[in-house]
Amino acid sequence: DTGVSQDPRHKITKRGQNVTFRCDPISEHNRLYWYRQTLGQGPEFLTYFQNEAQLEKSRLLSDRFSAERPKGSFSTLEIQRTEQGDSAMYLCASSSRGANTEAFFGQGTRLTVV
Amino acid sequence: GQQLNQSPQSMFIQEGEDVSMNCTSSSIFNTWLWYKQEPGEGPVLLIALYKAGELTSNGRLTAQFGITRKDSFLNISASIPSDVGIYFCAGPGGNSGGSNYKLTFGKGTLLTVNP
Repeated sequence: DTGVSQDPRHKITKRGQNVTFRCDPISEHNRLYWYRQTLGQGPEFLTYFQNEAQLEKSRLLSDRFSAERPKGSFSTLEIQRTEQGDSAMYLCASSSRGANTEAFFGQGTRLTVV
Repeated sequence: GQQLNQSPQSMFIQEGEDVSMNCTSSSIFNTWLWYKQEPGEGPVLLIALYKAGELTSNGRLTAQFGITRKDSFLNISASIPSDVGIYFCAGPGGNSGGSNYKLTFGKGTLLTVNP
């Protein structure tokens, strides 16, 4: 396991469709994060899991967004009824146990809503 | 909420030049992280700083954790074309509340290196 893996890398969808992204963290990492990044901005925090528990959600995460990490390993992020404003890069990151806050990012999923 | 301000927003330099960029915050941070992002890719962690005043190097990169804990600096020596990218500073939590694990990012410094 060489790093955080995200799938797909790119997704083009029509407005109103549902999309789901997958993230496989570094295997020994128990913390998993989702971030969203738009052009010209740094990544913005969406949500955070410790093992299978979702411990924090940003106000950016509207009711159309849901994230799961059912077995404390991989995670999925689903966006229902996509809107053009959802177009962004969705980044997953993971970090190890303890007080270490160093997060390692995947390559991201670029979502385009047309 | 807390914000990180990065400067400059962009830099255009000649290969071989040294580069300096910084990041400031109105809140105190206990950790400073520097990332580099290339087009279409996720951010890659370059350097992590954990103590005020700490100076850490990673090859040609050197970063410092400001003594006030409200700023950090990243220097790149003898730049090469592959240094091109966006450099982000980031910090977790902060004294304005929130998880100690979620990161707040600056808007980045875009570095262009002319061969």
